[in-house]
Parts: sequence; structure tokens; C-alpha cells
Amino acid sequence: DVKVTQSSRYLVKRTGEKVFLECVQDMDHENMFWYRQDPGLGLRLIYFSYDVKMKEKGDIPEGYSVSREKKERFSLILESASTNQTSMYLCASLQGLNSPLHFGNGTRLTVT
Amino acid sequence: AQKITQTQPGMFVQEKEAVTLDCTYDTSDQSYGLFWYKQPSSGEMIFLIYQGSYDEQNATEGRYSLNFQKARKSANLVISASQLGDSAMYFCAMRGPGYSTLTFGKGTMLLVSP
Repeated sequence: DVKVTQSSRYLVKRTGEKVFLECVQDMDHENMFWYRQDPGLGLRLIYFSYDVKMKEKGDIPEGYSVSREKKERFSLILESASTNQTSMYLCASLQGLNSPLHFGNGTRLTVT
Repeated sequence: AQKITQTQPGMFVQEKEAVTLDCTYDTSDQSYGLFWYKQPSSGEMIFLIYQGSYDEQNATEGRYSLNFQKARKSANLVISASQLGDSAMYFCAMRGPGYSTLTFGKGTMLLVSP
């Protein structure tokens, strides 16, 4: 079974802090993704990566950056956290184009 | 651009009854894939079922089936014999040709009552 692990289940940060959300997958998948989930808006793609050191912007990249130094690890970075970034963040990985995304359990981030 | 529309914010069903969750999509691609996910209150996203645009048969996985009507661009999820554990948020999603990303709908909250 594919395992996608997000390092924190709940996180509380202050406005202006730099925040790192970590995600690790154990199946050697090339593609990894960060989504944000908000009530009434569904899941929106922030960034994705199809290879080490490669990254592509998704639909809502503003205020975020990512890092993929190793194949198994994909980090989401909030350079200066703001209250409108309070949300559920979901990491996922993908084996092939006809395969489903495999999601982590999510990180619920609150910025105060 | 791809778009997924789920028009039902919430649905109620009694245990053991069947329920249909609606999903329509918009794309100019001929090749695409459609996915349904379940998200219980615990937050994890659970993959349920997949339908490829060239699949002639409707996909089925246990109590889940996908009512795929290509001309109408709809991919409704049918859950037969609902169980209390089916209470969750359900998301429809789509992937275009050559893309790895999924575009998600806004979701439908299903509540199953005894």
C-alpha cells in the first residue's frame, strides 16, 4: 500500500511566520502535489512536482513556494503566513496517469 | 480548461437505500479520466472509483458504480444499499490527457440516517 505521510496533523502559527509543511511518500512516485481544501471551495491545486528539483505552479500558488530536493519528499513553504492561509493542506503522490492520487491525512493549519 | 460541477451541497439518504451523487464536467479533450473520492470526518481522502473516457462499460467497485453519460458530460456516483459509514464528503475529479493534476469539484456532503 502506498503511504503518504504529512508530518503534522494540526499546526498553529502566527502571522508573519515562515511555515514548512512536510510530505513524504514511500512508493518512489515521480509526481507529487499540494492541494488546499476550504469549505465550499473543494480542493485547489497549489503546486506540483513531476521530478526532483522540478516544480510547477497550480491554480493558487501566490504566497506559497515548494521544495523537492529528494524524490520522496515534497515540502510546502509559506514564506510569511497570513490568516487567509488558514486551511486544510493535503499532499498527494501519483504513480501513473490512469492511477488515482494517493493522499496523506492532511495538515490543518491555523494562522492567528 | 477543465471544470467539475457538483450541484448538490448536501444529500440525505436512509440506510439501505441507494443514492446518486451528481457530477458534470466540462472539457474539450477527447481523452480524460474521472475519479470519485470519499472524505470522512477524519479527513483522509479515499479513492473510490475511476472511469476512463474511452471505457465503454460503466465502472463498478463493490457498492459503488459510476453512471457515465459521455454525451451529457456527466459522471454520477451511485451508492447502493447505503450504510451509516458512507456518511462523508464526496468529491468528483477529472484529469485531462497528459496531465498529472486532478481538477476537483466542490463536493457533496452525504448523510446516511438509520
